[in-house]
Amino acid sequence: DQQVKQNSPSLSVQEGRISILNCDYTNSMFDYFLWYKKYPAEGPTFLISISSIKDKNEDGRFTVFLNKSAKHLSLHIVPSQPGDSAVYFCATKSGGSYIPTFGRGTSLIVHP
Amino acid sequence: DAGVTQSPTHLIKTRGQQVTLRCSPKSGHDTVSWYQQALGQGPQFIFQYYEEEERQRGNFPDRFSGHQFPNYSSELNVNALLLGDSALYLCASSLGQGTGELFFGEGSRLTVL
Repeated sequence: DQQVKQNSPSLSVQEGRISILNCDYTNSMFDYFLWYKKYPAEGPTFLISISSIKDKNEDGRFTVFLNKSAKHLSLHIVPSQPGDSAVYFCATKSGGSYIPTFGRGTSLIVHP
Repeated sequence: DAGVTQSPTHLIKTRGQQVTLRCSPKSGHDTVSWYQQALGQGPQFIFQYYEEEERQRGNFPDRFSGHQFPNYSSELNVNALLLGDSALYLCASSLGQGTGELFFGEGSRLTVL
């Protein structure tokens, strides 16, 4: 039973356009949400996070939106660049846990 | 400043054998977590070590065991290997409980034949 769902295995976007990656979760106790990026032959690297007291967090070209009532979060990348091509993992955790739970990932391909 | 380092990077074992994977955390980090990532899946939590004790464990059988040393480095041991244990094993370090922001190594790719 997946607690964190990334229903799109892949996404293809043109350079300069917006990339939107989506994530749904089932546990209302989750109160901290993270996005990781993974290139081939490398470990995941932390990208951006948001706590449940906010509905938006921005860092340069990356913005994460949180809709608690829908148990949904999304990552927006604007403008998308070819170097953004990677697998993006959504992860969530509750305050009582030390451990984030990961989704299956979405493979983003940004075409020049 | 060295990040998280893992060894070996690749290894091949046969069913029934045992394997030990090693991890050195990022400088200044005291907590080590291990994850298994099967093909097409997200990282699945195995266990976390803090102060040389297993602090939390995921849904993995007892064949999976670990250790943390006084210098915070860690080992993951898997006994009686099964074909289904073939995966990328990721080590991640962090400081204390933190916010879930983990620093990952490049992983150890295990193939069981």
